[in-house]
Amino acid sequence: ETGVTQSPTHLIKTRGQQVTLRCSSQSGHNTVSWYQQALGQGPQFIFQYYREEENGRGNFPPRFSGLQFPNYSSELNVNALELDDSALYLCASSLAESSYEQYFGPGTRLTVT
Amino acid sequence: KQEVTQIPAALSVPEGENLVLNCSFTDSAIYNLQWFRQDPGKGLTSLLLIQSSQREQTSGRLNASLDKSSGRSTLYIAASQPGDSATYLCAVSRAGNMLTFGGGTRLMVKP
Repeated sequence: ETGVTQSPTHLIKTRGQQVTLRCSSQSGHNTVSWYQQALGQGPQFIFQYYREEENGRGNFPPRFSGLQFPNYSSELNVNALELDDSALYLCASSLAESSYEQYFGPGTRLTVT
Repeated sequence: KQEVTQIPAALSVPEGENLVLNCSFTDSAIYNLQWFRQDPGKGLTSLLLIQSSQREQTSGRLNASLDKSSGRSTLYIAASQPGDSATYLCAVSRAGNMLTFGGGTRLMVKP
């Protein structure tokens, strides 16, 4: 059983650019969620995908978008980067039922200059 | 809107002490509560998950309790060790297993 993996590990972008972060779910999991964690704070829910469709969204603007592929891997895209987008981006996979644990990847550290 | 608060924000203890971390949430309509550990700059490691119908869960030196009616959970760490130094996060799950996190407790265990 493989765990959740994310790429890249670190990324530096300039304000106004676009970025794509990738996540590979744990084997057998059909739900992926993305979270943003600013320095010194708890993670904040961005959105969730279940079977390739967005299944819920937190309080993030439309320039944050995502995709889930048939193999349940996922992408997070952020357009028009702002300095405040600098954060650790975490993805988590789980089974759809709410009683199941979420398993987190190691995260992608995004720095916007 | 669900809000999760963790107290204290930071804690420093000598090795060997038993300690309690607190988590409170405003909306008792949760599916489960999960405690995580996070090492600096790293992802989250799940420690314990308590279903909404359960009162506590134990794993090794860790024990987590849940009181849904009062909106509280505690994480008890017995005989703390320097390797326990990390940030501890609690999170509650609402519909669709979307987590709402607290701000975390940064724990330092001194040798």
